Order: sequence, then structure tokens, then C-alpha cells
Amino acid sequence: SQTIHQWPATLVQPVGSPLSLECTVEGTSNPNLYWYRQAAGRGLQLLFYSVGIGQISSEVPQNLSASRPQDRQFILSSKKLLLSDSGFYLCAWSQGVEQFFGPGTRLTVL
Amino acid sequence: TQLLEQSPQFLSIQEGENLTVYCNSSSVFSSLQWYRQEPGEGPVLLVTVVTGGEVKKLKRLTFQFGDARKDSSLHITAAQPGDTGLYLCAGEQVSNFNKFYFGSGTKLNVKP
Repeated sequence: SQTIHQWPATLVQPVGSPLSLECTVEGTSNPNLYWYRQAAGRGLQLLFYSVGIGQISSEVPQNLSASRPQDRQFILSSKKLLLSDSGFYLCAWSQGVEQFFGPGTRLTVL
Repeated sequence: TQLLEQSPQFLSIQEGENLTVYCNSSSVFSSLQWYRQEPGEGPVLLVTVVTGGEVKKLKRLTFQFGDARKDSSLHITAAQPGDTGLYLCAGEQVSNFNKFYFGSGTKLNVKP
């Protein structure tokens, strides 16, 4: 069966510091991968998605970037965090009409 | 503006009551999903509908996809406290395969 992992689970970072969030998927190959951000109790905003290694589509201009160095690994990064980057970050995978989500990372920028 | 509009945003009901959550758009979707999310966790997929007019049932939950594939509804019969959570709809546009757009969510609280 397929599983998706995200780490860290929580992160507190100062403004201006770098960021690296990691997502890995097991039990499938060549999945589509996604990064979302969620404000408290609200819907999900699509940040990036990838249909293959090295192929990244950005949905909104922002302070973040994404990379897919391996088939089942998706990384969300920033060189300098802003206060507005705080939120709940979710990674997801799909191979068709359904998406499956990881447990999320709670990021607080102080 | 949100591609998918969910209503209501908040719903607080007593155990045993029925409720309906709506997900509406002016866009056509090739598929639409409903998720439930607990605080601090990732959304969990409940159902996927792909055919206009399709109705799916999951125990006390009934999901319907609009004939024109622009809207959907989730009906819960005899709600229980365990149904409490954030309900999210998400659609995959016909013109944007592999991209999923989410509604703003409906926060449901079922009181015992």
C-alpha cells in the first residue's frame, strides 16, 4: 500500500532564516506530487505541483520554491522566510482523479 | 476569487439532525472529491465523483455531482459527534488535468 511522509511535523523559525520541508511517497512510482498551504480552518491553496522529476509548476508568485530530485521526493524551500509564510503545509500525491495527503507540517515564523 | 465556493462556512448542529453542504462553481470539472479533515492532520478522501448526476453513498453520507459537473453536495443523515470536522470539496478542471482546486471548507460541529 502507498504511504506518504512529511517532516518535520512542526517547525518554528525566525524571519529571514531558510526553510526545507521534505515529502516522500512509498509504494508507488511516477506519482504527481503537490504542495499546498492551509490557513487555519480554511481551504487549501495549491503552491506547486510536479508530474515528474525536475518538472515543477508554480501556482502563485511567492517566497517559496520546490524541487523534485527523485521520483518520490518533493521538497519545499525558501532562502529567507517571511512572517506571512506561517501556516500548515501539506504534501499530496495522485495517480488519477484522487489525491492522498501527508500529515502536514505546522510552520510558525516569528 | 475562489474557483469553488462552499456553503455554509460554519455549521453547528445537534446530534441526530440532518445537514447538507454545498460546493458550487461556474467551471466544469472532470472529477470532484470530498475530504474530511481533523485539526492538525491532513485531509482524508471520502469520495470521488466523475459522472454528471452521479450519486454515491457512504453509510450516512450521500454525495451528488451536478448534471453539468459544476457543483456537488454532501448530505449527512442523523449526524453524530464523530462527524465533526472540516469538510472540503476539490475539483479537477477539464482544462487543467492533474490540478486540483479546493473550496474554502465547511466547519461542522455536531453537539452530543
